[in-house]
Amino acid sequence: AQSVTQPDIHITVSEGASLELRCNYSYGATPYLFWYVQSPGQGLQLLLKYFSGDTLVQGIKGFEAEFKRSQSSFNLRKPSVHWSDAAEYFCAVGAPGTYKYIFGTGTRLKVLA
Amino acid sequence: DVKVTQSSRYLVKRTGEKVFLECVQDMDHENMFWYRQDPGLGLRLIYFSYDVKMKEKGDIPEGYSVSREKKERFSLILESASTNQTSMYLCASRATGFNSPLHFGNGTRLTVT
Repeated sequence: AQSVTQPDIHITVSEGASLELRCNYSYGATPYLFWYVQSPGQGLQLLLKYFSGDTLVQGIKGFEAEFKRSQSSFNLRKPSVHWSDAAEYFCAVGAPGTYKYIFGTGTRLKVLA
Repeated sequence: DVKVTQSSRYLVKRTGEKVFLECVQDMDHENMFWYRQDPGLGLRLIYFSYDVKMKEKGDIPEGYSVSREKKERFSLILESASTNQTSMYLCASRATGFNSPLHFGNGTRLTVT
């Protein structure tokens, strides 16, 4: 069965530090991969997506993610975190040929001033 | 930009009431979705609709129904609200194409007392 694992429930970083949020998926082929961000009281906003091609994907707000087939991972990174990045981040997998997306349980990011 | 609007940000209802959650999108998207978001469980799909009057059950449809009479509007109905349906409800839409990302509304936080 398809699944998405975000092993870190909470992460705290200092402003200006680098960030990496982990995402591992289980799927028989290469799925469609997404990262979303949810600010408090808001819906989810798309940060970036991967379907094929270059395995390093650039997104909005200075985020990037790298698809590693051998590790079934799609980790999100940012070189320098800003206080406004404090939010909850969700990794999602879409199975090609279906309407379904599988979401991870989320990682809540706290940024220290 | 795609705009997905959920009619209520907060709702408080009593057990046994019939509850309607409304969602409207302005980008002529064929596909619309209702998710439920609970802490530690991520997003779980309740129902989705791939076209007007067409719907399919998601992973947790029990206790819910949906209506899509017009392309831009997708309603979630709780036939008889129960306390275990207290949750955040997120509506999303997307264009046709399995690699199209979801666009989310800001959510409706429903409390059933």
